[in-house]
Amino acid sequence: GESVGLHLPTLSVQEGDNSIINCAYSNSASDYFIWYKQESGKGPQFIIDIRSNMDKRQGQRVTVLLNKTVKHLSLQIAATQPGDSAVYFCAEENNQGGKLIFGQGTELSVKP
Amino acid sequence: DVKVTQSSRYLVKRTGEKVFLECVQDMDHENMFWYRQDPGLGLRLIYFSYDVKMKEKGDIPEGYSVSREKKERFSLILESASTNQTSMYLCASSEYNEQFFGPGTRLTVL
Repeated sequence: GESVGLHLPTLSVQEGDNSIINCAYSNSASDYFIWYKQESGKGPQFIIDIRSNMDKRQGQRVTVLLNKTVKHLSLQIAATQPGDSAVYFCAEENNQGGKLIFGQGTELSVKP
Repeated sequence: DVKVTQSSRYLVKRTGEKVFLECVQDMDHENMFWYRQDPGLGLRLIYFSYDVKMKEKGDIPEGYSVSREKKERFSLILESASTNQTSMYLCASSEYNEQFFGPGTRLTVL
């Protein structure tokens, strides 16, 4: 079936290093993708999004890359900080009027 | 800023009780969603609504119902709570693609 998944459930990085969180999706017709950050005890918060007509989009310290050939999405965080520690979810819109399909999440831990 | 609020952060109920979870958004969004979040399973869509008095089943609607009498408010109802409904419940609203989430309600059913 159609699904969005993550390659690794946990990721540990040193403070100051760059982080890369990966996501695979299976619906080639999806045209919108989004990354959320969820800190402990809080609801998910928007980080960055990208449409399928783009390969790359940059925000503040974050970059999302989309490879439609292999149906792969990644989130890059530059100079990772302790405040980046959270669970990160990717999601795709499945062309059903705003419904998102979420991956299971990757927990990012930043070591000081 | 969009604000989505949920009536309770923590809730403890007994098996068989009727449970109401309330969600309110202040940005006049058309779309509202209810998810449950469980370890290893991510976010799963229970119900969603595109307009007042409209509702659509999500992926796991069994044991739940919803109500949307006003545009800003979307209620999730557990008619007879069961222990397997112990979970984190998240409400979200959207106008287009991006969904804005509330802080969540952690429900425990004993």
